[in-house]
Amino acid sequence: DVKVTQSSRYLVKRTGEKVFLECVQDMDHENMFWYRQDPGLGLRLIYFSYDVKMKEKGDIPEGYSVSREKKERFSLILESASTNQTSMYLCASSFWRGLGTDTQYFGPGTRLTVL
Amino acid sequence: DAKTTQPPSMDCAEGRAANLPCNHSTISGNEYVYWYRQIHSQGPQYIIHGLKNNETNEMASLIITEDRKSSTLILPHATLRDTAVYYCIVRLGKNTNAGKSTFGDGTTLTVKP
Repeated sequence: DVKVTQSSRYLVKRTGEKVFLECVQDMDHENMFWYRQDPGLGLRLIYFSYDVKMKEKGDIPEGYSVSREKKERFSLILESASTNQTSMYLCASSFWRGLGTDTQYFGPGTRLTVL
Repeated sequence: DAKTTQPPSMDCAEGRAANLPCNHSTISGNEYVYWYRQIHSQGPQYIIHGLKNNETNEMASLIITEDRKSSTLILPHATLRDTAVYYCIVRLGKNTNAGKSTFGDGTTLTVKP
């Protein structure tokens, strides 16, 4: 079974703190993604990565950065956390099947609260 | 990327087929239709995907109209455990834009005894 793990299920931080959210996958997948999920807004893509040290912006990258130094690990960084970054954060990984399609496997999510 | 439209909620009786519609009228020729579902407090789970032919796997069937502007996910014998939010997304194949698929609000399916 594919396993995508996230470092914390629940996290509480203060405004202005630097926050690291870690995601690890154990299936040698090339692709990794960070989403945030908010009521009424669905899942929105923050950043994704197709390879080690490679990153691309998603729909809402502002206020976030990412790091992928190893294939299995994709980190989301909030440089200076703000209250509007309170959300559920979901990590996913995927591999390319035939015909260039992929299946995303999601982690359980981290519910971040910024006070 | 094309956007999708789904009804916000649906009910289904246990044991009956659940038919979840999705409209993707602006889909382009090389975009695939994917379905995921999210059970409360878990991450989304892949169900099925297709390009233009109907597809079936152990979880569901996917019917895509000939013009590809809409599709229907069919759960043939819904159980209480199928109660979840179902997302229909469209997504390009392997290129640098493939990551930019948007999950909308989906359809909340409630299976009732």
